[in-house]
Amino acid sequence: AQKVTQAQTEISVVEKEDVTLDCVYETRDTTYYLFWYKQPPSGELVFLIRRNSFDEQNEISGRYSWNFQKSTSSFNFTITASQVVDSAVYFCALSEMGTNAGKSTFGDGTTLTVKP
Amino acid sequence: EAQVTQNPRYLITVTGKKLTVTCSQNMNHEYMSWYRQDPGLGLRQIYYSMNVEVTDKGDVPEGYKVSRKEKRNFPLILESPSPNQTSLYFCASSPTGLSAEQYFGPGTRLTVT
Repeated sequence: AQKVTQAQTEISVVEKEDVTLDCVYETRDTTYYLFWYKQPPSGELVFLIRRNSFDEQNEISGRYSWNFQKSTSSFNFTITASQVVDSAVYFCALSEMGTNAGKSTFGDGTTLTVKP
Repeated sequence: EAQVTQNPRYLITVTGKKLTVTCSQNMNHEYMSWYRQDPGLGLRQIYYSMNVEVTDKGDVPEGYKVSRKEKRNFPLILESPSPNQTSLYFCASSPTGLSAEQYFGPGTRLTVT
């Protein structure tokens, strides 16, 4: 069965600090996709990034970067020079393409608070 | 504007009174799904649909029904709501199954007393 673990329930940092949100996943499939979503205090869910299981290249988008390591089944998310607007709940998610195609598993989320 | 809409946005009801939460997308997406969000439990998938007339159970389907008669609509039906179904519900759609990201509706906050 697929599983996503976000061990950090809550993180609090001061503005301009760097912060890393951890995501560890479990799957038996060789083909799968990993995602990060952001849920700001307003409540909507916003897509941030998608990565497939065959692409271990790290990605950087502005202050955001993602580190995908299949060897440790991790897909961690780093925010550099955090800002108050980064305060949100962040979810990591896994979708398999094999027998469980269609099922989507989310982690419990990490609540990030960035203080001014 | 490309979007997923849900109605109602807020609903307070009583135990046992059947209700339907509607979900509609205007992006011609094949895939649609329902989730519930509870504090500390993340999003849990209730049902999903890979295409019209094709629906499957997610992780928490008990007490819910869905149908997919048209591509754009994916209503969530609670035949006999109970207090443990009090939650925040999200509908989502995706263009081609789950290799692509999901687009989420604004959420429906349901309270069952």
